[in-house]
Amino acid sequence: EVKLVESGGGLVQPGRSLKLSCAASGFSFNDYWMGWVRQAPGKGLEWIGEINQDSSTINYTPSLKDKFTISRDNAQNTLYLQMSKLGSEDTAIYYCALGGFDYWGQGVMVTVSS
Amino acid sequence: DIVMTQGALPNPVPSGESASITCRSSKSLVYKDGKTYLNWFLQRPGQSPQLLTYWTSTRASGVSERFSGSGSGTYFTLKISRVRAEDAGVYYCQQVREYPRTFGGGTKLELK
Repeated sequence: EVKLVESGGGLVQPGRSLKLSCAASGFSFNDYWMGWVRQAPGKGLEWIGEINQDSSTINYTPSLKDKFTISRDNAQNTLYLQMSKLGSEDTAIYYCALGGFDYWGQGVMVTVSS
Repeated sequence: DIVMTQGALPNPVPSGESASITCRSSKSLVYKDGKTYLNWFLQRPGQSPQLLTYWTSTRASGVSERFSGSGSGTYFTLKISRVRAEDAGVYYCQQVREYPRTFGGGTKLELK
């Protein structure tokens, strides 16, 4: 069974950084693109970016390219999202997803507030 | 960026009736391989999105035949036949033709 479990969310002060993790199981992690999507409270879905199997190609939505960094550790079957210079506009549920978007994690809440 | 624009539904929809959701893209989603890269998702309240269809009309694994996607170029439709209570939620279209991937704003389906 494919499982994606996000962690690392919580309350963070404006301007600080936070790193999210997504633990994958039930499939051959190093064979798939992986990505991140977020959803602000009461709003729609926003694609953040995705990373290929060997981390040689990473694509971001332009508005987040300078703030967010996607990485992965194939030995640990884990996807990461490093977020910096966080602002209130980054308050959202963050989902990791398999590259084809056919499997999603349950999401992790990030709240940016002083 | 490709802008995705979704239409609204005349909510609430009576149970057992059909509902069609429209999605328009600002650019053709046909790729050089001939496939049209349009996904549909359903997000039920409090849940993660679920992939319904990809390549415009191919149903994802385990998805009911009541869901059918159609369209071409820049205009797409998701039809839900014999609407049931479990179909309630917000539907999103998404283009994966090019980067950045972009979603429509969502269409809410409420049942009567």
